[in-house]
This record gives sequence, C-alpha cells and structure tokens, in this order.
Amino acid sequence: QSALTQPASVSGSPGQSITISCTGTSSDVGSYNLVSWYQQHPGKAPKLMIYEGSKRPSGVSNRFSGSKSGITASLTISGLQAEDEADYYCCSYAGSKTVVFGGGTKLTVL
Amino acid sequence: QLQLQESGPGLVKPSETLSLTCTVSGGSVSSSSHYWGWIRQPPGKGLEWIGSGYHSGSTYFNPSLQSRVTISVDTSKNQFSLKLTSVTAADTALYYCAQYCSNTNCYYDAFNMWGQGTMVTVSS
Repeated sequence: QSALTQPASVSGSPGQSITISCTGTSSDVGSYNLVSWYQQHPGKAPKLMIYEGSKRPSGVSNRFSGSKSGITASLTISGLQAEDEADYYCCSYAGSKTVVFGGGTKLTVL
Repeated sequence: QLQLQESGPGLVKPSETLSLTCTVSGGSVSSSSHYWGWIRQPPGKGLEWIGSGYHSGSTYFNPSLQSRVTISVDTSKNQFSLKLTSVTAADTALYYCAQYCSNTNCYYDAFNMWGQGTMVTVSS
C-alpha cells in the first residue's frame, strides 16, 4: 500500500481556478469511486471537502469540485480566495476496509 | 454535535508502547454506520492512516503498521483506543482520531469528523 501521489505545491491568484491531482493505482483510485479530499489549515485538524469522488458535504462551498479519470482523481477549486490557502490531501478506499492517503499538496494563493 | 477528543501521554520512550484514547461525545461508538479510525501526521509531513475499528470488534490496519497496532472500541465508555508497540523516533507524530462513515446515510467512505489531535514524541 503506497501513498497516493500528489504535487507538492500548487499556486494561483485570487479568482483563478486550480486543480490538484491525486494519482493512485488500479488497486485503489482506479478500482473505486471512493476518493475523499481534506483541507488542512496550519495547526488545525483536516476537514472533509469532497467524498465519493465528487460529492460535497453540507456547508462546503460549491467552488470545490472533484472528479476522477482512470487512476487519477482531481480536486478543482474555482474562484480562489485567500482562505483557500491550506494543505490538501486526497484519500482513497483501497479494499478490505483499508484506505490510503496522498502525500499532500500545499496551495498558495498569490 | 459529535466531538472527538484524544488523550494520552505526550512522551513515550523508545521500545515502549504508545497508548491513546479517543473519547466520543454527541454520538455513539456503537453506531452501525461508522468505523473509528486513527491517523497520524509526523511534524511537517503528510497524513498516514493507522487503522480503524468497529463496535463489533472488527479491526483493519495499515499493512506497514499491522504487526505493531491494536485498536479497540469500548462501547461502555464510548471510547476507542490505539496501542502501538515497540515505538521508535519515526513514530513521533500528531495523532488524530476520526469517525469514518461506512454507509450512504452519512458522508460515505470518508472521515467525517476529526479530533483536534495529540502530539506524541518518542524520546528517551
């Protein structure tokens, strides 16, 4: 079970859109539409932003969206805001009640 | 509203056993819809799933930690716990407990709620 692969960092200007990729294998991301995304601000616990690949929990802005193609899941944030600056982690179900996280991506809002 | 709170020693000696407890309030660990998980984050690094437990006693672990981990759910105390044996400096991390949804009545197959985390340092 290897960690999912995410870019170490991405950046964008306010109002722009960014996409964070999350690449797994045919044993995790590729086999299940069960990728979740978490936002973590410094010193805070992670917060669920996307589940089942593309669904948003109540209270999460519709500027956040998720998708998947093959073994790669993606998180897109549109209309970037300063408050979006945080670390983002993907997580995929990997079978037999196990999950695997990505290495995390630091989002900088320029 | 559901809340989770980790507790346990902040300092553990190498080769000893790390023991943490997560107390759940505003909900029940006996819920049929949820598993209860532990995730850790070494300083400056990413999240690592340690394992999850169910009120029935079923447990599931990260293969890389499986030989050293025990997770148990105590329905009488509404708590669940983590034990990690033979710790080394590599086990130094912020340890989170979290609620994991296991059916479509909640945010399916995701960690819906997290505790604030507790820092554990392994050092002599």
